[in-house]
Amino acid sequence: GDQVEQSPSALSLHEGTGSALRCNFTTTMRAVQWFRKNSRGSLINLFYLASGTKENGRLKSAFDSKERYSTLHIRDAQLEDSGTYFCAAEAGTNTGKLTFGDGTVLTVKP
Amino acid sequence: GPKVLQIPSHQIIDMGQMVTLNCDPVSNHLYFYWYKQILGQQMEFLVNFYNGKVMEKSKLFKDQFSVERPDGSYFTLKIQPTALEDSAVYFCASSLPNERLFFGHGTKLSVL
Repeated sequence: GDQVEQSPSALSLHEGTGSALRCNFTTTMRAVQWFRKNSRGSLINLFYLASGTKENGRLKSAFDSKERYSTLHIRDAQLEDSGTYFCAAEAGTNTGKLTFGDGTVLTVKP
Repeated sequence: GPKVLQIPSHQIIDMGQMVTLNCDPVSNHLYFYWYKQILGQQMEFLVNFYNGKVMEKSKLFKDQFSVERPDGSYFTLKIQPTALEDSAVYFCASSLPNERLFFGHGTKLSVL
């Protein structure tokens, strides 16, 4: 069955505002990655977490393996943040076998 | 940042033919992967490869599929023979142990 449940499926923000994306896992995951797919279809690495939180500019991500979730917070959204965001999680087997969420389509409006 | 290159970006072939998808992984990476994404669906794991061997493969990795990386050159995915349901975008990725995966831009395979 599906192991990664990502929400929301779509999100619209005005420039300067923020929100959070979330992935819930139906099983214990060892690590999570967050990606943004740009207009050319390339997967851009945002974060890799095995635990705790990481911050990079206006983005912040958290991963709680025990509670089985990860979040991606965006603050002060800019037009160029628009795109599709994916979480992908790896179970305890440590083989790089990622299970992807369905993605969140983020649209940032002026 | 580190880049994974995939060649070609699009390949069109007739059903039954053989196709080889090429991937140039990040130079110091040790683990290599192929993922498959059918239009409108999630990206799904096919296979991983380390030290010259397949470590794990999914049920999507049919008997017609094979991977290799001869002499540290391209990491390849070969499909022989191809079927209509093999039409998809195939993504290559590479990584170091216990670190993030870096993905290529994908090769769109169209089987006619």
